[in-house]
Amino acid sequence: TAGITQAPTSQILAAGRSMTLRCTQDMRHNAMYWYRQDLGLGLRLIHYSNTAGTTGKGEVPDGYSVSRANTDDFPLTLASAVPSQTSVYFCASSEKRGALTDTQYFGPGTRLTVL
Amino acid sequence: AQKVTQAQTEISVVEKEDVTLDCVYETRDTTYYLFWYKQPPSGELVFLIRRNSFDEQNEISGRYSWNFQKSTSSFNFTITASQVVDSAVYFCALSDSSNSGYALNFGKGTSLLVTP
Repeated sequence: TAGITQAPTSQILAAGRSMTLRCTQDMRHNAMYWYRQDLGLGLRLIHYSNTAGTTGKGEVPDGYSVSRANTDDFPLTLASAVPSQTSVYFCASSEKRGALTDTQYFGPGTRLTVL
Repeated sequence: AQKVTQAQTEISVVEKEDVTLDCVYETRDTTYYLFWYKQPPSGELVFLIRRNSFDEQNEISGRYSWNFQKSTSSFNFTITASQVVDSAVYFCALSDSSNSGYALNFGKGTSLLVTP
């Protein structure tokens, strides 16, 4: 079973360039999330979407944007990358509309290096 | 303020030893959920357990067990007879109404190294 796929697996990006990280899930989950993982800081929420057509900001949204045109896809865009955005990015999804009981399942991650 | 504290940054044990990973959380809600995830060296995040705030019964799954105590706001994870394959970073996480979109609030993780 595919679950959640993310692309690319890794990327080196020049500062100032834009990039879109892709996330697709095949579980028909309503809610989707983007986290970044940094050494010593755990995972922090960037943006989320409770259902197609809606998005919200998380703990660290600056410099990132998202869209949710359909249920399956939740791309994360860096408009003008900066070195502090070097991180591992995880996409996650959960079945219901952000209900408290949800278990979130994670994609394999994208390792991004901004130089 | 940090809502989930994993005070142990790194733990090293020898195979077959028991090891307990601590997790202390903070919430004002009476209804909330706690989670543990495993991140092996390959990097993916693997869901281990979800526990709601109304169920304080301890849970055992094979060599894994979890001790949830609301009185001390703790949700500790014990691995019995550890194995090399248990080497990973383990994350405790909290979901309550204060989290944007009911997302998870993660601790910083505990890195467990099990040596032969």
